[in-house]
Amino acid sequence: AQTVTQSQPEMSVQEAETVTLSCTYDTSESDYYLFWYKQPPSRQMILVIRQEAYKQQNATENRFSVNFQKAAKSFSLKISDSQLGDAAMYFCAYRTYNTDKLIFGTGTRLQVFP
Amino acid sequence: SQTIHQWPATLVQPVGSPLSLECTVEGTSNPNLYWYRQAAGRGLQLLFYSVGIGQISSEVPQNLSASRPQDRQFILSSKKLLLSDSGFYLCAWSGRGGAVPQHFGDGTRLSIL
Repeated sequence: AQTVTQSQPEMSVQEAETVTLSCTYDTSESDYYLFWYKQPPSRQMILVIRQEAYKQQNATENRFSVNFQKAAKSFSLKISDSQLGDAAMYFCAYRTYNTDKLIFGTGTRLQVFP
Repeated sequence: SQTIHQWPATLVQPVGSPLSLECTVEGTSNPNLYWYRQAAGRGLQLLFYSVGIGQISSEVPQNLSASRPQDRQFILSSKKLLLSDSGFYLCAWSGRGGAVPQHFGDGTRLSIL
């Protein structure tokens, strides 16, 4: 069975600085998708970024980028120029190629200090 | 554009009472639908998912059930709530195939007394 591990329960960063959140996963599949979701205090889950495993190029969305290391089964999220509004829980999620079910990690709480 | 509505936002129920949480999606047809539960400080646990009307898959044995009476309506129910059913419940929808993401509702905070 596939599993997703986020080893950092909490992280903090100063405004305008860069922070990296870690995520590793375990799978025997070669085709799959990876996602990062953000859950602010309002509790709504918001998609941050997605990555197809067959793509070697790392996904980027404005200040958010990923470091996808397929061989190492690692999918870290880098937030550049951190803003106060980035404070939230961040969840890494995995989806196999042939199903639509997401497997979530336990999350990393990110605090942003002014 | 597609939207997802989930209600109520907050619910306080006594142990042993029934439950009905509703989720509807607008602006799309034949979506996949999902119910998740999030315990305090934890990740999301998939409870049920549905690929069509009347088609429900249960991921974990529990005191809850789900139904999909219409294409864009997904209902989470219980006949008798337990204390352990407390939590934050999220409904989500997605398209099919590819790197389609799941889109989440605003959630329901359920407290059992």
